[in-house]
Amino acid sequence: QVQLQESGPGLVKPSQILSLTCSVSGGSISSGGYHWGWIRQHPGKGLEWIGYIYSSGNTYYNPSLKSRLSISLDTSMNQFSLKLSSVTAADTAVYYCARRTIATYYFDSWGQGTLVTVSS
Amino acid sequence: QSALTQPASVSGSPGQSITISCAGASSDVGDYDYVSWYKHHPGKAPKVIIYDVSHRPSGVSNRFSGSKSGTTASLTISGLQADDEADYYCSSYSSSSTLWVFGGGTKLTVL
Repeated sequence: QVQLQESGPGLVKPSQILSLTCSVSGGSISSGGYHWGWIRQHPGKGLEWIGYIYSSGNTYYNPSLKSRLSISLDTSMNQFSLKLSSVTAADTAVYYCARRTIATYYFDSWGQGTLVTVSS
Repeated sequence: QSALTQPASVSGSPGQSITISCAGASSDVGDYDYVSWYKHHPGKAPKVIIYDVSHRPSGVSNRFSGSKSGTTASLTISGLQADDEADYYCSSYSSSSTLWVFGGGTKLTVL
């Protein structure tokens, strides 16, 4: 069974780049058939879809974040990453990585999440 | 403000049934049978318990059931157990450019 684990700095300064990595075990991200993505939860709020990437490299982003967002694959490490630029306090959230199987309409595997705080 | 509207909290006693609503719009819940529900214990990975409105993944108890009417979906948990105490989130595929929308979450307390 596939497992996902987020990692990255827990504190980022305003205007800087938030970078997170999701390590995948129990399956290959290059095998196709899946979208690998990110979802976040602001403190005390609901979930927000950030975006995802297919094994071909095609990306799909939330339009509200698109101008600041980049999601990429590192097939050699079986990881995928999120980079969000020009962060503000509004980007403080728990960030989850998640997998969606192609032709299904739900996220079938999730990481435990990692809290990222944007503060000087 | 979340795209889908859920009650902030619900509660029930062991053995009882509860229902959590998830109100959406014609561009998401009303337009697709692609509503999913997730159970989340804080600090752990969310887990899908219902997909495509009413389907249960393998291994999920049949005490969990889902339905939809118009632009509102519902999750019903019957025979409440202590372990059901968690946060529950609904989600839907959307025809908007956002693609995926979620609810604000409902905290279930088992009394």
